Amino acid sequence: DQQVKQNSPSLSVQEGRISILNCDYTNSMFDYFLWYKKYPAEGPTFLISISSIKDKNEDGRFTVFLNKSAKHLSLHIVPSQPGDSAVYFCAATSGNLIFGKGTKLSVKP
Amino acid sequence: DTGVSQDPRHKITKRGQNVTFRCDPISEHNRLYWYRQTLGQGPEFLTYFQNEAQLEKSRLLSDRFSAERPKGSFSTLEIQRTEQGDSAMYLCAWGQGPYEQYFGPGTRLTVT
Repeated sequence: DQQVKQNSPSLSVQEGRISILNCDYTNSMFDYFLWYKKYPAEGPTFLISISSIKDKNEDGRFTVFLNKSAKHLSLHIVPSQPGDSAVYFCAATSGNLIFGKGTKLSVKP
Repeated sequence: DTGVSQDPRHKITKRGQNVTFRCDPISEHNRLYWYRQTLGQGPEFLTYFQNEAQLEKSRLLSDRFSAERPKGSFSTLEIQRTEQGDSAMYLCAWGQGPYEQYFGPGTRLTVT
């Protein structure tokens, strides 16, 4: 039973446009949410996080939105750059991190 | 620099052999985690240390797996009698608090 779901295995976006990565969760006890980026043969790199008491957090080109009633969060990358091409993992926690399966983002020049 | 190194980066072993991986935080972060990641999946929690105390273990951590963190610094993860299903990336992470965790580069294990 997956508690954190990323339903899109892949996403392709043109350089300069917006990338929107989505994540759904089922456990209402989660109190903190995180996004990680992963390149091949490397460990995941922390990108941005949001507490369950907020609905938006912004850091440069990255913004995370949280909709608690829908149990949904999204990561917006604006503008997208070719170097953003990687696998993005959504994670949630009420103790230990629970990860989704990831979405592979390809940003085309 | 993620603040943690792992050794070895790659390990190929035959089924039935024992393997040991090491995780070295650059400074003494009080929380240290081990995860396993298989192809097409996100990282899955295995175990967690606060200083030298192992506070939580996942059901994924069978009796063949053991982890230690002597003196609250580096940590080791040993797998005894390896099976092909143990083939995965083993990731170590550190955290100062209960939320953000910072991952090392991982050790890729292949069991033949």
